[in-house]
Amino acid sequence: DAGVTQSPTHLIKTRGQQVTLRCSPKSGHDTVSWYQQALGQGPQFIFQYYEEEERQRGNFPDRFSGHQFPNYSSELNVNALLLGDSALYLCASSLLGGNGEPQHFGDGTRLSIL
Amino acid sequence: QQQVKQSPQSLIVQKGGISIINCAYENTAFDYFPWYQQFPGKGPALLIAIRPDVSEKKEGRFTISFNKSAKQFSLHIMDSQPGDSATYFCAASMEYGNKLVFGAGTILRVKS
Repeated sequence: DAGVTQSPTHLIKTRGQQVTLRCSPKSGHDTVSWYQQALGQGPQFIFQYYEEEERQRGNFPDRFSGHQFPNYSSELNVNALLLGDSALYLCASSLLGGNGEPQHFGDGTRLSIL
Repeated sequence: QQQVKQSPQSLIVQKGGISIINCAYENTAFDYFPWYQQFPGKGPALLIAIRPDVSEKKEGRFTISFNKSAKQFSLHIMDSQPGDSATYFCAASMEYGNKLVFGAGTILRVKS
């Protein structure tokens, strides 16, 4: 049973570019959340998608946007990249319906901005 | 009110000793408190979690103690092993499955 998978593993971009990160949730999960983890810090919540809609959003600018597809996979898009966007981007999946399930994390995409 | 404060920042424990990490929160609407373990190059992995209707939960060598009145909770790792060396994060959320608010993390090193 595959867990949460993210691609790519590493990515290097320059300031001003845009980037798309991808996430496939754990089998049976219907909800995807995205987090940003700066070096030496705890993950910060970006947003959560459920039934292809943004359900919750953290304190991140509109440059950060996302999408959830009918198969529950998700994308995170970041436009006009800044140096401060360099971080590990984590995807977590969970099950909201029924008895629910806790959030399970992927190993992340390491994004470096030059 | 959304913050979760975690201490200490780092911890060194001898093999076989007890590792204790503490967290405090302000928002009384939080009702789910998980602990995550993260190894370098990996995502956080759920260790153990508790809800405020119980004061303690034990799973193997890991125990969460929860003090609702003090708005504090802690992770105890009994018989700490070198393989436990990792970064530990406490977190909190309002309602199961909602966004997690994480502490800043504790880097644990278990010396053999």
